[in-house]
Amino acid sequence: NAGVTQTPKFQVLKTGQSMTLQCAQDMNHNSMYWYRQDPGMGLRLIYYSASEGTTDKGEVPNGYNVSRLNKREFSLRLESAAPSQTSVYFCASSEAGGDEKLFFGSGTQLSVL
Amino acid sequence: LAKTTQPISMDSYEGQEVNITCSHNNIATNDYITWYQQFPSQGPRFIIQGYKTKVTNEVASLFIPADRKSSTLSLPRVSLSDTAVYYCLALTGTASKLTFGTGTRLQVTL
Repeated sequence: NAGVTQTPKFQVLKTGQSMTLQCAQDMNHNSMYWYRQDPGMGLRLIYYSASEGTTDKGEVPNGYNVSRLNKREFSLRLESAAPSQTSVYFCASSEAGGDEKLFFGSGTQLSVL
Repeated sequence: LAKTTQPISMDSYEGQEVNITCSHNNIATNDYITWYQQFPSQGPRFIIQGYKTKVTNEVASLFIPADRKSSTLSLPRVSLSDTAVYYCLALTGTASKLTFGTGTRLQVTL
């Protein structure tokens, strides 16, 4: 029972490089989320997908793109990484997107030099 | 999304009961109060959720007074493994606005 799986766990990029963070859930959840967490800070919502084929911006979407590939997978892409995007990225899922519980992955630690 | 306010940090000794209070003065009628726990290098984990009065599960209790302007997470007899950050959220089906604050950092020592 894997829950929410994120890859990779660690990544180092140079400024201007691109990369895609992968996320998959096996709980048949409709909604998926991408958050970032900076040191000593809470989590901030980057993008949200209520269901397959739909995505919405969260609090801090600039510099990111997302793709809801299917019901299981929700990827986050950095087209041109910047040092300000150094952070820990968490993917989460929930049944319908609202007041029910969120299930989080273990995170991706990204450093942009 | 109702703004929540909670203490930045708390300290406790092992075996004590810990109560973390969260203020949410502008909570909406349909908002639920939800608490998450986050250990270092892990994603947050759902602890408990409630609408009013008292909710209890195997991990914690949640007390919500009648005016719902605050809530208290109660952790009975904490252990070292309860050292974590605890987040309080008030939300109502608006997951696109679902943002966590800085939470309360609980440090449990012997």
